[in-house]
Amino acid sequence: QVQLQESGPGLVKPSETLSLTCIVSGGSISSYYWSWIRQPPGKGLEWLGYIYYSGRTNYNLSLKGRVTISVDTSRDQFSLKLTSVTAADTAVYYCARHHGGFGYPEYLQDWGQGTPVTVSS
Amino acid sequence: SYVVTQPPSLSVAPGQTATITCGGDNIGIKSVHWYQQRPGQAPALVVYNDNDRPSGIPERFSGSNSGNTATLTISRVEAGDEADYHCHVWESSNDHVIFGGGTKLTVL
Repeated sequence: QVQLQESGPGLVKPSETLSLTCIVSGGSISSYYWSWIRQPPGKGLEWLGYIYYSGRTNYNLSLKGRVTISVDTSRDQFSLKLTSVTAADTAVYYCARHHGGFGYPEYLQDWGQGTPVTVSS
Repeated sequence: SYVVTQPPSLSVAPGQTATITCGGDNIGIKSVHWYQQRPGQAPALVVYNDNDRPSGIPERFSGSNSGNTATLTISRVEAGDEADYHCHVWESSNDHVIFGGGTKLTVL
């Protein structure tokens, strides 16, 4: 079973860019869809976007163009950038792998443990 | 965009049956997936494609989906089932992953 591990700063200042990386081990990043999901304190899950191993992406329109996801297949990792952050972006951020890899992102089969990010000056 | 709605909370006595709903317009034609999230942990898949269980998930967990409502049923509820449960669908028109707001299951 593949393991996912998020890494990045736990504190980001308002208006700056949040950057996280998800390292995939125990399997290849190829042939799958990979998503970033976040969970604000005491709230539900919010999907941020996905990337296919080929580089094709799709993002949650509610984030209004602030999110970018990239992949590095040579290092089996993918990354999240979220610009112009505010306190509303404070959350636990998860990376996850979708089952399948053909046509569309199916159910989320594997999750990272999550990393908390606080937006504060 | 597509919206799925879950009740915020549900309380069930041990040994009873918990029924958690996920409502959406004609959700019966979509594949619905369910995740269990215990406090302080990442979500974990418990039912996929409406009514399939990953290996290791007890038969007490089952799902159904028809019309405008998908349902996760937990039979013979145990204390260890206390958690948040999230439903998930894929919205084909926008190619978006959609989550319900989550249901907090309390075992009395």
